[in-house]
Parts: sequence; C-alpha cells; structure tokens
Amino acid sequence: EIVLTQSPGTLSLSPGERATLSCRASQSVSSSYLAWYQQKPGQAPRLLIYDASSRATGIPDRFSGSGSGTDFTLTISRLEPEDFAVYYCQQYGTSPLAFGGGTKVEIK
Amino acid sequence: QVQLVESGGGVVQPGGSLRLSCAASGFNLSYYGMHWVRQAPGKGLEWVALIRFDGSSKYYADSVKGRFTISRDTSKNTLCLQMNSLRPEDTAVYYCGKARGWLLDHWGQGTLVTVSS
Repeated sequence: EIVLTQSPGTLSLSPGERATLSCRASQSVSSSYLAWYQQKPGQAPRLLIYDASSRATGIPDRFSGSGSGTDFTLTISRLEPEDFAVYYCQQYGTSPLAFGGGTKVEIK
Repeated sequence: QVQLVESGGGVVQPGGSLRLSCAASGFNLSYYGMHWVRQAPGKGLEWVALIRFDGSSKYYADSVKGRFTISRDTSKNTLCLQMNSLRPEDTAVYYCGKARGWLLDHWGQGTLVTVSS
C-alpha cells in the first residue's frame, strides 16, 4: 500500500508569490500516475494535474507539476486570489488508490 | 458535458445500511470506470472504491472491504454504493467520480452520510 505524505501542511503566502507543494510516496508510483486536485470550502475537488505533469482541461498554465518515482511537486508560479485553497495529491497506479493529507494554501 | 449527481445520503444508526446513488449524464457509464471517494467533516479525502469500465473488477479500501459494495446499472446510467454495517467513522461526504483509466477526472457535488445514534 502506497502512503502519500504532503508538505507543508499549511503554506502562508501573498498573491503574486510562488507556491511550491511537495508530495512524497512511500514507494515508487507506477508510471507516474500521480494527480493533483484543488478543493475550495464547500466544493468538490477539481482535477488540476494528471500523469504528474499534464494539465487538465481548462487549468491555467501558472499551475505545473513535476517529479517521478517517489517525489512530486506542484508549483503555482504566481498566486491569484482564487488559488487559495487546499491541494491534494493522489496516486492512481496501484490499488488501493491513495490521497495525501493535503496542503492548505492560505493568504498571508 | 459530464454531470454527476449523488443522492441517498442521510442519518443512519450504527450497524445500519444505506444505499447511495450517482446519476451520470453527458457520457455512457458502460465505457468508463467509476469511483467513490469520501471526506469526513474537516478532514482530507479518502478513496473508497472503484469499478472498472466493463464492471469486471471492483476494488475497495481496506476500511470498507466486506461492508461496502460498488455496482452500476448501465440501463439507468447510474452508479451505486451499498453500505452495510455502518460505523460512526463512516460519517462523511461521499463523492462519486468518473474515471479515465483509473484517474478520477470529474467529481459530483457529494452527499452527506451521518452515522449516529
């Protein structure tokens, strides 16, 4: 069973700043089947990144994903007001699928 | 346009049962796998179950194995989750999701299940 650990738990930044979120897997993620989701309060999650680095339809290019094996990163190049939310990584290469614990990006 | 609408949530006593449904539109359930994911109040996301696109295989989280059953009715384009032997720790918002391969690419808005006496 793959366990995903996200860090930091909370990231306090100002609009316009760069956000770097980490997701570490307890073992190698098959074929880089790693996704990132954004969730705002009271809403369902939304797919941002899949296959570690591919942006989902309609996702702005300020969001980018990178990594392979056990270490993955989500980068938001310049934070917009609507980007303040909770972000989850998920591996979907092996059952049981697993989510990380989430990183909250809050306004500083 | 893909749309997923969950229903069937509510309050149930410990040990009880509940059946959730997810009505899909904008795509044919016969060609896509489907997920259930849950989120306890104030907590993170927990994957619950997956049914393959052809219904041939089903996968479950250890926390629900033997108690929950994922199924689908392709004639109604509807996904279901039968939940038995419910426990207080099953209290959560339950989301259904459309799969592309095993990637969860579209989510419903969720239905709340509360297990309490």
